[in-house]
Amino acid sequence: DTAVSQTPKYLVTQMGNDKSIKCEQNLGHDTMYWYKQDSKKFLKIMFSYNNKELIINETVPNRFSPKSPDKAHLNLHINSLELGDSAVYFCASSLKQGVTGELFFGEGSRLTVL
Amino acid sequence: AQKITQTQPGMFVQEKEAVTLDCTYDTSDPSYGLFWYKQPSSGEMIFLIYQGSYDQQNATEGRYSLNFQKARKSANLVISASQLGDSAMYFCAMREPSSASKIIFGSGTRLSIRP
Repeated sequence: DTAVSQTPKYLVTQMGNDKSIKCEQNLGHDTMYWYKQDSKKFLKIMFSYNNKELIINETVPNRFSPKSPDKAHLNLHINSLELGDSAVYFCASSLKQGVTGELFFGEGSRLTVL
Repeated sequence: AQKITQTQPGMFVQEKEAVTLDCTYDTSDPSYGLFWYKQPSSGEMIFLIYQGSYDQQNATEGRYSLNFQKARKSANLVISASQLGDSAMYFCAMREPSSASKIIFGSGTRLSIRP
């Protein structure tokens, strides 16, 4: 029973297309995140939702739009894909805000933009 | 502003030896949490160990221990008796409540264990 699941695991698409990545967690956590890992393995936070409310919105192009229909789901939609969007996108969740509570990660979605 | 620094991009260690992965951090918040994650070549992110800024003792989890030196703002990961399966990227991370509790990551250290 996967705790944090992302679909799809692999995405290959052309520049200019729009794509979505879906994430679901069955841990009962309140907070969910999207992270981007680039080719140098650097992990950067993009967004965070707490109980469906956006609480972190880092400097991310407007082409990226997260959506949380309920606290168990956090989707990421990307418009007008660019070459630089190629990366692994990780969804994660944590029990609550505060200093404790580790992140539980999904397996990642590898996006390749051609 | 938060900052996490891992100064060792790569390390080679002989199997069964202990290894220390360095991590320093910068925060003005007195309350914060420190984490280490492992990312094997398969790509998943695996939580290893947590240290709270007010914890009196260094955290330990099996072969992993965290050498927490608060005054020096360092949180080094020590892996005892290294195994071939320890070969992976290791990330240090920090969370502080004043920044909406986001967890930020260091640039990682690639650890390779030699048989």
